[in-house]
Order: sequence, then structure tokens, then C-alpha cells
Amino acid sequence: RKEVEQDPGPFNVPEGATVAFNCTYSNSASQSFFWYRQDCRKEPKLLMSVYSSGNEDGRFTAQLNRASQYISLLIRDSKLSDSATYLCVVLSSSNTGKLIFGQGTTLQVKP
Amino acid sequence: DTAVSQTPKYLVTQMGNDKSIKCEQNLGHDTMYWYKQDSKKFLKIMFSYNNKELIINETVPNRFSPKSPDKAHLNLHINSLELGDSAVYFCASSQDYRVANEKLFFGSGTQLSVL
Repeated sequence: RKEVEQDPGPFNVPEGATVAFNCTYSNSASQSFFWYRQDCRKEPKLLMSVYSSGNEDGRFTAQLNRASQYISLLIRDSKLSDSATYLCVVLSSSNTGKLIFGQGTTLQVKP
Repeated sequence: DTAVSQTPKYLVTQMGNDKSIKCEQNLGHDTMYWYKQDSKKFLKIMFSYNNKELIINETVPNRFSPKSPDKAHLNLHINSLELGDSAVYFCASSQDYRVANEKLFFGSGTQLSVL
């Protein structure tokens, strides 16, 4: 079983749609969680950290369910510019700063 | 102005050759990393250094050797290149790996193609 699992998609949605991605992680001792965004042929960039209480940044909402060991990302009112790959990332419990990346979920927003 | 810069951006070489990728960060960070992204888009950690000290050394072939002359630089040397080494290699840095919720800053990647 992969340490961090995501549905690779692609998710094809029209502009204005709401789309949600889920991610599961295997190590219950994991403490820190993130969503990174990677545009085609570019480097990953931090989109947002994921906190236990859930957090929102504009049209983006991230949630964490520790009991089920899954993380979600909700994008409301999708824009063309949201088209990218969204990487679910978990900080390893090894205290070495090791980040474990999921394969990523590809989102294509269509006009 | 580039925060994390790596060179070259593209590297095309023959099997068996030795090559290096250089990385520099001007953010004043203590920790630097090398990640490999394969054709299936998985990003996997290879190495990390904190202030020139090796922290993470994942199971990679010993043909790969990182070198950190100072905390602003982390270079990657690869000996006897193989076809399977073809991938995108990303350098990254963070303030200090011991801080939770650390943000990683990535370089723009080096596309390595081994022929």
C-alpha cells in the first residue's frame, strides 16, 4: 500500500464548478499535512497546509479526518487557472523533515 | 531574484557518463533537499542536508552522491548514468526541517534524459 494515495484523475470540470479531491495516508502517526500545486512542467508550490480544524483560503478549503486518515481539498467556483495537478503531502513521523508526496490529482477546468 | 536555482534546466547525456546538477538558494535556509520525479509523476525524496550535515539518505544507488559545500548549495553528482535515471530532479529548501508545517521552496527542476 502506498504511503499517500490519490486518485490521479483527470478531473474534467466546467468553469464555476465545485470539485473535491481526497487523499488517504497510511501512517496514523503523521502530524502535518499539505496540499501542493504543480503546473505542467513546473515545480510544486505550496497551496495550503491542512489543520485538524479544517482551514479555508478563498475558494479553497482543506479538511483533515484523522480517524479515517484522509485529507480533502475542495475548490469552489473553479477557474481556468485552477487547472493543474494537486499533490497531497504528508510529513513523515521520522523527525527528519521528510515529506511524502502522493501521485497527484490532475484537474482540467474547461470553459 | 530566484530563490532556489538549479542548473542545468535540461541535461541530455549518454549511458555511462558522469554528470552533476547544481543547486543554490538565496533564502538563508538551513535545509536543502533533492527530489526525483519519475515518469509517473511521483515525487520522492533522495537526500536532505541541514547546514552541511546529511539528514536524509534514502535508498538510492550509491552512484548518486550529494555534496553540500555550504548551507546555500547542494549539488548532485551522478556516476555511470543509466536509462532508469531519466527523470526530473528538483532541488528544494526550507528554513529548518525540524519546524512543523515547514514550507518547501522548489527549484524549477532539471530534466535529465539518458540515451
